[in-house]
Amino acid sequence: GAVVSQHPSRVICKSGTSVKIECRSLDFQATTMFWYRQFPKQSLMLMATSNEGSKATYEQGVEKDKFLINHASLTLSTLTVTSAHPEDSSFYICSAQKGTGYNSPLHFGNGTRLTVT
Amino acid sequence: RKEVEQDPGPFNVPEGATVAFNCTYSNSASQSFFWYRQDCRKEPKLLMSVYSSGNEDGRFTAQLNRASQYISLLIRDSKLSDSATYLCVVNTFSGGYQKVTFGTGTKLQVIP
Repeated sequence: GAVVSQHPSRVICKSGTSVKIECRSLDFQATTMFWYRQFPKQSLMLMATSNEGSKATYEQGVEKDKFLINHASLTLSTLTVTSAHPEDSSFYICSAQKGTGYNSPLHFGNGTRLTVT
Repeated sequence: RKEVEQDPGPFNVPEGATVAFNCTYSNSASQSFFWYRQDCRKEPKLLMSVYSSGNEDGRFTAQLNRASQYISLLIRDSKLSDSATYLCVVNTFSGGYQKVTFGTGTKLQVIP
């Protein structure tokens, strides 16, 4: 099956620092990857759609200058949380779609648990 | 109205019971549908796609009703290991842009 790898799985950082999260599709090419955030006991919230070779598309209310997305290759997208604050502490998950048809399901990375102190 | 709605539950059922979840969606142009399972503090994992003709995978049956705009998931002979949150996912293409929308999830707790 399709595998999506996300790294790191857990990170603790100090307020004001930046954190980079990587999302890789290991056995397929993904022109589009998605970044989600999930707070405890809440549903997944789409933050942005990452497009290979072009700018990411951000959802309403998500600050593009704070959550920098780079999709430099067909197998790698990165999310950088800049100047992190305690309220950014959350579970960040990426996903990629294998195939281009609308019947292609999403495959998720194992998530990154970010704690900002 | 939310784009995708699910009853959050929790559904507490005894082992061996049959349980069904529904998920309604608002956009009649949505093209594809999936059920995912999410365990506590883990990423969602694909459970099954949902086809118009309905599809079955072991104890799990998924159905799509386009006229009423809902999908369903039926779990027969519930196991303790089925305890999780079940997420309904709706995929919509419009103007060359794909939008994947998740429901808030329905929590299932199977009791010994």
